[in-house]
Amino acid sequence: AQSVTQPDIHITVSEGASLELRCNYSYGATPYLFWYVQSPGQGLQLLLKYFSGDTLVQGIKGFEAEFKRSQSSFNLRKPSVHWSDAAEYFCAVGPNYNTDKLIFGTGTRLQVFP
Amino acid sequence: GAGVSQSPSNKVTEKGKDVELRCDPISGHTALYWYRQSLGQGLEFLIYFQGNSAPDKSGLPSDRFSAERTGGSVSTLTIQRTQQEDSAVYLCASSLNSGGLNEQFFGPGTRLTVL
Repeated sequence: AQSVTQPDIHITVSEGASLELRCNYSYGATPYLFWYVQSPGQGLQLLLKYFSGDTLVQGIKGFEAEFKRSQSSFNLRKPSVHWSDAAEYFCAVGPNYNTDKLIFGTGTRLQVFP
Repeated sequence: GAGVSQSPSNKVTEKGKDVELRCDPISGHTALYWYRQSLGQGLEFLIYFQGNSAPDKSGLPSDRFSAERTGGSVSTLTIQRTQQEDSAVYLCASSLNSGGLNEQFFGPGTRLTVL
């Protein structure tokens, strides 16, 4: 069965520091992978997605993620975090050929200190 | 343009009451999804509509939950005889078409509290 694991529930970084949020997935085929961000009181916004091709994908707000098939990972990175990046981040897998539902991880809450 | 809208934004109800949550998808989007976000649980798929096809109800947690989509647009999620464990944020999303290449756009959610 498909599943997504985000091992870090809560991460705190200083503004300007680099960031890496971990995501591991379990999937029987080449996955579609997504990162969403949810700011307080806001809906989910898509940061980036991977379908195929180049394993390093660029997204909005300066984020990037790298798909590593050998590690079943799709970690999100940002070289320099801004205070406005404080939010909850969700990794998701799917849809695939027989279902359009997204399978989400439990999320990582990012706190940014000035 | 207008995004996905949901109403009400907050709903407080008493245990045992029925509630209806509404979702207005982006105009022209044929696919509509409902998810539930419980504290510490991440997002859980509930149900998916695509055009005139039979909905995928595989995520509905019990027969107290149902949803319909009228005229291929607005959708209503109904929870009957609400229980405290139904307290969560209910998120609706829509996409232009079905299939993985179509981004799902999410609404702001309805926060349901069952007392």
